[in-house]
Amino acid sequence: EIVLTQSPATLSLSPGERATLFCRASQSVSSYLAWYQQKPGQAPRLLIYDASNRATGIPARFSGSGSGTDFTLTISSLEPEDLAVYYCQQRTNWPPAYSFGQGTKLEIK
Amino acid sequence: QVQLQESGPGLVKPSGTLSLTCGVSGGSISSTNFWSWVRQPPGKGLEWIGEIYHSGSTNYNPSLKSRVTMSVDKSKNQFSLKLRSITAADTAVYYCARARNVAARFLDYWGQGTLVTVSS
Repeated sequence: EIVLTQSPATLSLSPGERATLFCRASQSVSSYLAWYQQKPGQAPRLLIYDASNRATGIPARFSGSGSGTDFTLTISSLEPEDLAVYYCQQRTNWPPAYSFGQGTKLEIK
Repeated sequence: QVQLQESGPGLVKPSGTLSLTCGVSGGSISSTNFWSWVRQPPGKGLEWIGEIYHSGSTNYNPSLKSRVTMSVDKSKNQFSLKLRSITAADTAVYYCARARNVAARFLDYWGQGTLVTVSS
C-alpha cells in the first residue's frame, strides 16, 4: 500500500501570497498523482492530474509539479475563494487501490 | 457535462445494509471509464471504497472488501453500492465519482455527496 503524506497540515496566508503544498509518497508513483480542492460543504473538485496538468476550467494560478515520490501544488497568488482543504491522490495498479493524503487546510487571513 | 447524483436513505440502523445509487447524466455509463465510490467521515479525510466498470468488473478497498458489493444498471445509466454489517464508523458523506480510465486513474466528476448516518 502506498501512503501519501501531505504537509503542512494547515497553512495560513494572506490574499496575493504564494501557497506551496507538499505531498510525499511512500514509494514512487511516477507522475500518476492528482490534486483536489474541497471547499467547505462541497464535494472535492479535480485541480491537477498527472502531477502537472490542470483540469478543465482550473485557473492558471494553480500549478503542480514533481515526480517519483515528491510533489508540489502551488497557488501563485491567493484569492479569498481558495479557502479549502487540498488532497493529493494516487492509484496503484496492483493491488488496484486509490489512496488519498490526509489533506492540507488552507486558511486565508 | 457529466453530472452524478447520489440517492438513498440518510439513516441506517447498525448491523444493517447501506444501499446507495448514483445516477449518471450527460454521459454514458458504458463509456471507457470506471465509476467509483468515496466516503468522508464527518471532519475527516477521503477514503476510497471501490470502483466498477460497465462490464461489471470491480475493484474494492481491501479494508472494506468483505462488506462491499457494487453493481451497474446500464439500462438506467446508474451504478450502486451496498455496504453490509454497518456500524457507527460507517457514518460519512458518500460520494460517487467518475474515474478516468487512464494510467493515472483520477476522479474528474463528483456527485454532491449524501450523508449517511448509522444510528438506531
